Amino acid sequence: DAGVIQSPRHEVTEMGQEVTLRCKPISGHDYLFWYRQTMMRGLELLIYFNNNVPIDDSGMPEDRFSAKMPNASFSTLKIQPSEPRDSAVYFCASSISGGAETQYFGPGTRLLVL
Amino acid sequence: AQSVTQLGSHVSVSEGALVLLRCNYSSSVPPYLFWYVQYPNQGLQLLLKYTTGATLVKGINGFEAEFKKSETSFHLTKPSAHMSDAAEYFCAVGGAGTALIFGKGTTLSVSS
Repeated sequence: DAGVIQSPRHEVTEMGQEVTLRCKPISGHDYLFWYRQTMMRGLELLIYFNNNVPIDDSGMPEDRFSAKMPNASFSTLKIQPSEPRDSAVYFCASSISGGAETQYFGPGTRLLVL
Repeated sequence: AQSVTQLGSHVSVSEGALVLLRCNYSSSVPPYLFWYVQYPNQGLQLLLKYTTGATLVKGINGFEAEFKKSETSFHLTKPSAHMSDAAEYFCAVGGAGTALIFGKGTTLSVSS
């Protein structure tokens, strides 16, 4: 298996622009997680899905952030409009189930908002 | 509610020395405990995990961790550090049906 795939790997955009990050989980994994990593705040869980249904989005910072999972093999995280404080590395991870199962992380998308 | 505290944001050791990275957790349910490693410009990868059973868990690259319920700890150790161990290490706690909660991370530096 190719592992978790994220695109783009790097994104530079200007404040106010819409940003869409994409993730393809490992086939057969029922859980998908979106994380944000910054120096100041560390690794934060933004939202996670089970069988394409959002289970907990309490980590989404504000209404500018939205995430969807239209099918088992694809998810998007959208920021509209983007702000400089959104600059971070965004990780997608997937697992067979929650709890005790290992989460497999993608390589991340490094976002810079100017 | 669950939480994780990693003691020491930065640990420095010499090559060949013992590595000890500390992790304490809080959990209202039986915890599942994990250590992940992150190399520069990469995602996190699993080092080892504890779910049930034997409290001493062995992972990849010679690392191991011991679950101590009485101390609510899950410290990560390696008898002899190698230069390639330099990375950031994250402790995480989860429970049945929950997402993982990650600690702030500890950066390990290894000098020759």
